[in-house]
Amino acid sequence: EAAVTQSPRNKVTVTGGNVTLSCRQTNSHNYMYWYRQDTGHGLRLIHYSYGAGNLQIGDVPDGYKATRTTQEDFFLLLELASPSQTSLYFCASTGANTEVFFGKGTRLTVV
Amino acid sequence: GDSVTQTEGPVTVSESESLIINCTYSATSIAYPNLFWYVRYPGEGLQLLLKVITAGQKGSSRGFEATYNKETTSFHLQKASVQESDSAVYYCALGNTGANTGKLTFGHGTILRVHP
Repeated sequence: EAAVTQSPRNKVTVTGGNVTLSCRQTNSHNYMYWYRQDTGHGLRLIHYSYGAGNLQIGDVPDGYKATRTTQEDFFLLLELASPSQTSLYFCASTGANTEVFFGKGTRLTVV
Repeated sequence: GDSVTQTEGPVTVSESESLIINCTYSATSIAYPNLFWYVRYPGEGLQLLLKVITAGQKGSSRGFEATYNKETTSFHLQKASVQESDSAVYYCALGNTGANTGKLTFGHGTILRVHP
């Protein structure tokens, strides 16, 4: 069974704080994604990557950086967190001709 | 840009009743969009419920079904008899073919509550 593991599952930080969300997939997938989900909105794509060292900008990238250190690991960085970044974050992975697999989500609260 | 609109929730039904969650889409950047329904159970990630990649075709899974209607740009989700275990959030989505299949446009999600 394909697996995408996110950590932490819950995080509270202060405005201006530095946060890193982690995602690991053990599916040998090339593509990995970071989405955010807010009430009244569908999942919106922040950044994605098609391999180690690669980064592509999604639809809502402002305020976020990301880094793909290995094929397995994709990190989302909030260097100056703001309350508008309070959200539920999902990581996903997919390979050629495969289903997209999602992690269980990280709930981030910026106070 | 591409967009997906679906039924505002929450939708509340009683067990064994029928269900329809509406979904309409606009695909301006994708010539032949693939259409999906994802489901998210409490505490879990999104799971693919069903997908259809060809207009006019119907997809089905776990008693749910949806037909890709290109004329009305719709992909409504239906189930004849819901169960309490179907309580979840349902997302309609569209995407492209090729390698980057995780680049999806989602609707806002519809919360479904099924009462026993």
